[in-house]
Amino acid sequence: DVKVTQSSRYLVKRTGEKVFLECVQDMDHENMFWYRQDPGLGLRLIYFSYDVKMKEKGDIPEGYSVSREKKERFSLILESASTNQTSMYLCASLAGVQETQYFGPGTRLLVL
Amino acid sequence: AQSVTQPDIHITVSEGASLELRCNYSYGATPYLFWYVQSPGQGLQLLLKYFSGDTLVQGIKGFEAEFKRSQSSFNLRKPSVHWSDAAEYFCAVGAWDNFNKFYFGSGTKLNVKP
Repeated sequence: DVKVTQSSRYLVKRTGEKVFLECVQDMDHENMFWYRQDPGLGLRLIYFSYDVKMKEKGDIPEGYSVSREKKERFSLILESASTNQTSMYLCASLAGVQETQYFGPGTRLLVL
Repeated sequence: AQSVTQPDIHITVSEGASLELRCNYSYGATPYLFWYVQSPGQGLQLLLKYFSGDTLVQGIKGFEAEFKRSQSSFNLRKPSVHWSDAAEYFCAVGAWDNFNKFYFGSGTKLNVKP
């Protein structure tokens, strides 16, 4: 079974702090994704990566950056956290075309 | 532009009743369609997917979905709902014409009455 893990289930940070969310997958998948989930808005794509060191902006990249130094690990960085970044963050991985996306358990981030 | 619409935000059904969750998509090419379920505080779990072939697909937990190209729909059904089905359900379309991207609906929250 594919396993996608996220470094924290819950995080509380202060406004202005730099925040790192980490995601690790164990199936050698090429593609990895970061979404944020807010009530009534579904999942919105922040960034994705289709290979090591390769990244593309999703639909809402402002205020975020990402890093993919190793194939199995995809990090989401909030350079200076703001209260409007309070949300549930979901990481996912995907083997390739016509494959299934697998999700981690999510990180619920509260920015005070 | 690609989009997915789930017109029902909340649905309440009685345990043992049948269920249908609606999903409409907008996508120019052949759609790859998915239904996911999310229990409270959890990530998303794949229920079923449609890539090609038989338009009625079976999934886990007794769910099925029917792809109707003429209606741009991919509705999820279950003949008899169990209390454990209470969760949020997301429909998604996979777009592989450029990069591998997915577009999700806003979700339907299912409540099950005893």
